[in-house]
Amino acid sequence: ETGVTQSPTHLIKTRGQQVTLRCSSQSGHNTVSWYQQALGQGPQFIFQYYREEENGRGNFPPRFSGLQFPNYSSELNVNALELDDSALYLCASSPRGLPPLHGYTFGSGTRLTVV
Amino acid sequence: TQLLEQSPQFLSIQEGENLTVYCNSSSVFSSLQWYRQEPGEGPVLLVTVVTGGEVKKLKRLTFQFGDARKDSSLHITAAQPGDTGLYLCAGDGAGNMLTFGGGTRLMVKP
Repeated sequence: ETGVTQSPTHLIKTRGQQVTLRCSSQSGHNTVSWYQQALGQGPQFIFQYYREEENGRGNFPPRFSGLQFPNYSSELNVNALELDDSALYLCASSPRGLPPLHGYTFGSGTRLTVV
Repeated sequence: TQLLEQSPQFLSIQEGENLTVYCNSSSVFSSLQWYRQEPGEGPVLLVTVVTGGEVKKLKRLTFQFGDARKDSSLHITAAQPGDTGLYLCAGDGAGNMLTFGGGTRLMVKP
């Protein structure tokens, strides 16, 4: 069984640019969540996708948007990049409907640097 | 807004010592999860606690969920260098989101 895969692993962008990060969920998992982890901090919830629709959102501005595809993979798009967007972006998948004991499976993340 | 506070933020100990990490909140969570994260990797689930007062053991790691489901602790017995890493607690609450604590960075020196 494959885990969660994210691409690219590292990315450098200029302030004001747009970026798209990609995530393939673990086999059998139909829910994908995105988290932002700044250096030295715990991850912060951005949003979750289920059945190709946003199913919960954290305290992030609208320039953070996402998509989920029929195969459950997902994209995170960030427009008008700011220096503070520099962080590790984590994707987590889960089998919706199962008890919380199963937790979430995280990918290794995309390290985004905005200069 | 649900918040989780972890303490201590940093811990540097010698191999063989015991340690406890605390995770506290004023909010009630339906479950609480502990993760361990290595540099350059995503968090890996260690355990989920669901019932107030629950205690779970994973080899030398003991996890406890508070009676009111607002706090949790992680105790490591006889720490080893392989235990080095970032330990994160996360509460499963409202809005289909995990609320993470700030993390405890543990270094175990041989």
